[in-house]
Amino acid sequence: DQQVKQNSPSLSVQEGRISILNCDYTNSMFDYFLWYKKYPAEGPTFLISISSIKDKNEDGRFTVFLNKSAKHLSLHIVPSQPGDSAVYFCAANTGTASKLTFGTGTRLQVTL
Amino acid sequence: AAGVIQSPRHLIKEKRETATLKCYPIPRHDTVYWYQQGPGQDPQFLISFYEKMQSDKGSIPDRFSAQQFSDYHSELNMSSLELGDSALYFCASSALKGEFANTGELFFGEGSRLTVL
Repeated sequence: DQQVKQNSPSLSVQEGRISILNCDYTNSMFDYFLWYKKYPAEGPTFLISISSIKDKNEDGRFTVFLNKSAKHLSLHIVPSQPGDSAVYFCAANTGTASKLTFGTGTRLQVTL
Repeated sequence: AAGVIQSPRHLIKEKRETATLKCYPIPRHDTVYWYQQGPGQDPQFLISFYEKMQSDKGSIPDRFSAQQFSDYHSELNMSSLELGDSALYFCASSALKGEFANTGELFFGEGSRLTVL
């Protein structure tokens, strides 16, 4: 039972353009959502998060949007850079610092 | 800044052998989590500890056990290894309470890659 889903296993975007990564969830108890970035042979690195009481959080080139009614969130990266090429995991939890439930990941490739 | 330290980084074992993975959380973090990531899969939660007590349990096989010690480091013990146990094992830490409590993000180590032959 995949409670957090990332339906696009891969995404290719040109440098300078916008990357949009999508994530859907089924568990209405989730109240905190996070995006992690993972390079090969490294652990996931925290990128940005959003609480369920907000619908948008922005940090530099990264913006996360949350649509609670649709149980959908997205990560926007503008402008995309080659160093952004990695696997991006969407994750959610039900309380402060509780276990994370991860999505299946989307591999982003930013091309020159 | 100090990060989560995992050892060993790579481990090769034969079927039915035993393996132990170690995790040293970020200083002042009180919670440790273990995740297993198989090839092409998302990280799956195994078990967590808060203040040396088991706080949550996920899809951890009965052949596996874990504990958190007085210095907050944690060890994951895996016995009767099977081929399907080959995976990346991630440890993560967070601060649930106290002045260093964070809002929800877990900080991950670089992982221990276990290969069972």
